[in-house]
Amino acid sequence: RKEVEQDPGPFNVPEGATVAFNCTYSNSASQSFFWYRQDCRKEPKLLMSVYSSGNEDGRFTAQLNRASQYISLLIRDSKLSDSATYLCVVKTNSGYALNFGKGTSLLVTP
Amino acid sequence: EADIYQTPRYLVIGTGKKITLECSQTMGHDKMYWYQQDPGMELHLIHYSYGVNSTEKGDLSSESTVSRIRTEHFPLTLESARPSHTSQYLCASSDPTGLWQFFGPGTRLTVL
Repeated sequence: RKEVEQDPGPFNVPEGATVAFNCTYSNSASQSFFWYRQDCRKEPKLLMSVYSSGNEDGRFTAQLNRASQYISLLIRDSKLSDSATYLCVVKTNSGYALNFGKGTSLLVTP
Repeated sequence: EADIYQTPRYLVIGTGKKITLECSQTMGHDKMYWYQQDPGMELHLIHYSYGVNSTEKGDLSSESTVSRIRTEHFPLTLESARPSHTSQYLCASSDPTGLWQFFGPGTRLTVL
């Protein structure tokens, strides 16, 4: 079983739509959670951390459910520039590595 | 913007050649990492370093080797490239906690 599982998509949504991505992780000892964004053939870039209480950054909202080992990312009012692959990332405190999901592909269309 | 650089950005090379992928960062980070990513697949850690003269293998087995003689420099070497090494190689560095990782632009390697 993979450490981090994501629906690969693609999610095709019109501009202005709200879209939600889900992610599950297998290691209950995971302590740190992130969403990264990766544009086609580019490097991943940190989008936001995910906190237990949930957190928001502009149009982006991240939620964590430790009991279900589930992380979500909500994007409101989608823009064309939001088109990218969104990577769910988790880390345990004892480990040295970030565990990346395969990513969910989003295409926002006019 | 993170100050982490990789060269070359693209490399096409024949089987059996020795290659070195360069990675440099100007942020003074002690922790540096090499990841491998195939198209449509997740990133896998192949090497990491906690500081000068410290290198460890990551979760994904790799025939490559690394060195860390200077804080800012973390090159990766393949002694004899093979087609199975064709992939994208991403270098990263992080803050002391290892949580905030900044990635270089990557080297896309093709071995013919």
